[in-house]
Amino acid sequence: DQQVKQNSPSLSVQEGRISILNCDYTNSMFDYFLWYKKYPAEGPTFLISISSIKDKNEDGRFTVFLNKSAKHLSLHIVPSQPGDSAVYFCAASAGYKLSFGAGTTVTVRA
Amino acid sequence: KAGVTQTPRYLIKTRGQQVTLSCSPISGHRSVSWYQQTPGQGLQFLFEYFSETQRNKGNFPGRFSGRQFSNSRSEMNVSTLELGDSALYLCASSVLAGGPDTQYFGPGTRLTVL
Repeated sequence: DQQVKQNSPSLSVQEGRISILNCDYTNSMFDYFLWYKKYPAEGPTFLISISSIKDKNEDGRFTVFLNKSAKHLSLHIVPSQPGDSAVYFCAASAGYKLSFGAGTTVTVRA
Repeated sequence: KAGVTQTPRYLIKTRGQQVTLSCSPISGHRSVSWYQQTPGQGLQFLFEYFSETQRNKGNFPGRFSGRQFSNSRSEMNVSTLELGDSALYLCASSVLAGGPDTQYFGPGTRLTVL
């Protein structure tokens, strides 16, 4: 049962524009949400997180928004850069383990 | 501070064999989790250890096992390998166990079963 879903497998965006990645979850017990970035043959790199008591968290070019009533979170990357091309995973936790989405492959075009 | 390290980085085995993977967490981190990544299934949680105790386990068969040592280093073992066990195995560490906390991942071990 996939409790965390990333419905867009891929996203192509022009350099300098905004990238918006979406994630939906079904488990209302999730209380901590994270975004990871992954390059091929490497482990996921932590990007940004948000706890369920907040609705927005910002770190440089990355902003995560949480809408608890809709069980939806999104990651905004502004402006997008070529080095942002990677697979982005949304993850959620309710205690010990992380549940991951299937990932969204972002391609930033020059 | 050094990151999470995993050894070996690549491994080739044949069906029926067993394999042991190793993970050294970030210094000071006491929780170690293991994940399997396959193209079709994404990242799937295997198990989590804290203070040498398995705290949580995912939906994997008993062929998958692990342990944690007193220095927080962890090993994962897969016995009677099957072709479907070919995957990237990722280890992640965090300071705490349970509750909101960020997990930091190692580079993974790429296991190929022939």
